[in-house]
This record gives sequence, structure tokens and C-alpha cells, in this order.
Amino acid sequence: QVQLKESGPGLMQPSETLSLTCTVSGFSLTSNGVGWVRQPLGKGLVWMGTIWAGGSTNYNSAVQSRLSISRDTSKSQVFLKMNSLQPEDTGTYYCARHAREGFAYWGQGTLVTVSS
Amino acid sequence: DIVMTQAPLSVSVTPGESASISCRSSKSLLHSNGITYVYWYLQKPGKSPQLLIYRMSNLASGVPDRFSGSGSETDFTLKISRVEAEDVGIYYCGQLLENPYTFGAGTKLELK
Repeated sequence: QVQLKESGPGLMQPSETLSLTCTVSGFSLTSNGVGWVRQPLGKGLVWMGTIWAGGSTNYNSAVQSRLSISRDTSKSQVFLKMNSLQPEDTGTYYCARHAREGFAYWGQGTLVTVSS
Repeated sequence: DIVMTQAPLSVSVTPGESASISCRSSKSLLHSNGITYVYWYLQKPGKSPQLLIYRMSNLASGVPDRFSGSGSETDFTLKISRVEAEDVGIYYCGQLLENPYTFGAGTKLELK
């Protein structure tokens, strides 16, 4: 079945670069897009960016200058890198399959705390 | 950016009764292909969001038919018939018409 799982460091310091990995199973990255959605603590959902089946990417302009999404199709992994972290980047980061039906499958999420 | 505005912020429902949640977009979500790119998600306490409705009125796989979506180009409604305890959580509408893809602030559903 379709599964996604995020992994990465839980605690980061301001100005550092965040690296997260989304490992997927049950579907191919060359046939489906994967998006990243952030949820600040106790708040709503914010789409950050998507890597599409063909490998192209789209980013939210709010984070575009700091964000990079890439993938390794041989390992069924999607990567998020975001630099110049600030405390307001604290939250739960989800990866989700981004297809015609929307974000139909989500990972469990990984909490990232940015604090000195 | 397209702003998604949900109402109410919270709703309290007696089990077995119906509930409706509204969502309004700042721009028409009707594409020239005839598809309306509005989606509904439910985030149960402590869990990841789950898709309920896609493209305004299509029930996602595995979702009970107590859930239904409807609307126009800018005004949308999620209806839950015969609310059950498992329906508790925060409901979000979202749009996938254009970048940046945006979500509403959420509507919290509680049981009376």
C-alpha cells in the first residue's frame, strides 16, 4: 500500500540548514508528485513545495529563496533542504503524495524545533 | 495568493445529527477544464491530515458516504450526515488551482 515516512533531525539551531527525507513505498516517484506541507504548532497547514513526476519543482514564494526539493528515484526518496532557519520555521513537516486527487496520502510528520 | 476562508471556526454537534462547514475562496477555483480545484481534509487529534473530498464533490477512497462536498466557483460546503465520534477533529479546505496552494485556517468539530 501507499506509504510515506519523513525523517530528519528534531532540533535545529537558528541559521542552520534543515535536511529532511521522505521515503515512499507503494508508488513510483516518476508517476506521482510529492509535496511538503508544514504545520506550525497549533496552527494550520502551509504548502511549501512540490516535486512533480517529471522532476520539476514548484515552491511557495514565501520560502522559495531558502528551499530546495530534490529526489532519488532509485531509492524512492524525496529531500527537502531549507537554509537560514529561524524559530518561526518550527513545526511539523509532512510529505504527501501530490496527485490529481490532491494530497491523498500523508506521512506521519516529523517535528522540527528551531531554537538556540 | 488565493485566500481560503472557513466558517465557523468551531462547531459542536450532537452525535447522529448533521454538520456543515463553509469555505470561501478569494478567486474562482473553476478551471477552464470544468474542474473545481477545492479539497477537504480532516486532521484527527494527534494525526496527519486525511483527504475526504477532492475536486469539490468527489469522495476519496475509503471515506464514508456520510461526507459530501458541494459548491460553486467560490463558495463551498462540506456536509457531514449523522456525525459520529470518529469525525472529531479539524477540517481544512484547500485549493490546488494555482501556486501557492493554500489551505483554510480550519474548523474544529466537537461533539456535544
